Amino acid sequence: QKEVEQNSGPLSVPEGAIASLNCTYSDRGSQSFFWYRQYSGKSPELIMFIYSNGDKEDGRFTAQLNKASQYVSLLIRDSQPSDSATYLCAVYPPNTGKLIFGQGTTLQVKP
Amino acid sequence: DVKVTQSSRYLVKRTGEKVFLECVQDMDHENMFWYRQDPGLGLRLIYFSYDVKMKEKGDIPEGYSVSREKKERFSLILESASTNQTSMYLCASSIAGDTDNEQFFGPGTRLTVL
Repeated sequence: QKEVEQNSGPLSVPEGAIASLNCTYSDRGSQSFFWYRQYSGKSPELIMFIYSNGDKEDGRFTAQLNKASQYVSLLIRDSQPSDSATYLCAVYPPNTGKLIFGQGTTLQVKP
Repeated sequence: DVKVTQSSRYLVKRTGEKVFLECVQDMDHENMFWYRQDPGLGLRLIYFSYDVKMKEKGDIPEGYSVSREKKERFSLILESASTNQTSMYLCASSIAGDTDNEQFFGPGTRLTVL
């Protein structure tokens, strides 16, 4: 089992819709979770981080964490074509000092 | 703004050459990381460093070495480049702490080994 799993996609949504990106992780002791966005040919940039169970909202983005289910998601409301990118989920397992990345989900927002 | 720079955006080398990839950060971060990114394999950690002259192996250290002589600079070395090291190489840095800190990435170096 991979430590951090994401569906590679592509996930295609129409402009204005809600895009839902999902991520599961294997180490139950993990405490912090990150979502990065990566445009084609560019380096990853942080969108959100979340540490506590529940939802965290920032503008059109909402991160959701469920530690019991070992599941973290990213919702993008009112999706725009400029949101088309690969979204990387990353997790800090305890006592490793390493950030573990999922393979990323490619999102396509169609006008 | 945090800035992480890498010495080259594109690099073409021949098999057997020694290759140096340089990374510099200007935010006095303690932690620095080298990743490679390949289609279908995601980001994989090669080496990381918590402090000057300290290094830790990541998940795929074979064929690579690193050097950190100054806090702001972290170098990745391919002692004898091979074609399977053709990849995008990403450097990142973060502040010290108990792991819960954002990593800031450089622009990446796309290395082609012929």
